[in-house]
Amino acid sequence: GAVVSQHPSRVICKSGTSVKIECRSLDFQATTMFWYRQFPKQSLMLMATSNEGSKATYEQGVEKDKFLINHASLTLSTLTVTSAHPEDSSFYICSAHSGGFYEQYFGPGTRLTVT
Amino acid sequence: GENVEQHPSTLSVQEGDSAVIKCTYSDSASNYFPWYKQELGKRPQLIIDIRSNVGEKKDQRIAVTLNKTAKHFSLHITETQPEDSAVYFCAASNIQGAQKLVFGQGTRLTINP
Repeated sequence: GAVVSQHPSRVICKSGTSVKIECRSLDFQATTMFWYRQFPKQSLMLMATSNEGSKATYEQGVEKDKFLINHASLTLSTLTVTSAHPEDSSFYICSAHSGGFYEQYFGPGTRLTVT
Repeated sequence: GENVEQHPSTLSVQEGDSAVIKCTYSDSASNYFPWYKQELGKRPQLIIDIRSNVGEKKDQRIAVTLNKTAKHFSLHITETQPEDSAVYFCAASNIQGAQKLVFGQGTRLTINP
């Protein structure tokens, strides 16, 4: 149980375009989903926390107008990177959490390359 | 906010020896401390976790200790094997609060055969 999927696993896009990444909890309802970014050889950095039906809470330094997060249901959150630039190239990982549990369940990640 | 420091950044041990990775945290409200193993290009895998009401937890070759007073926790891997080679991350979270995980910087562990 507790499976989280992410789609796509890899995406290459041109500078200036937008990319949408989906995060789904497959067998449980996720009251909270988290979006992380990981640059090569670095740690996971939290970008934002999203709760179903409400606006996401962004970490300091993360542009909310550039990284649009929607958590429309208890099983789906989306991250849209708008007007992507090469410096946005990174590994984006989501995690899902269900109230009453300690553990967060991670998606497999999405490798974004902006050319 | 919470800040987690992890040491060492790299660790190389002989197969069969023990490995210890240490983390400190700053927020006394943190009450959940998981450890993750991450292989290249993959998601972090939870290998063990500890809650603030427990001082030590063990699962086969892996153990974690927590010192709430000093705000530090450690991962111990005994009888290391080549497949233990990976990057390990500690993290801290306040389950009753924001629930977000704050990660340490990571430790690249290499097991030499």
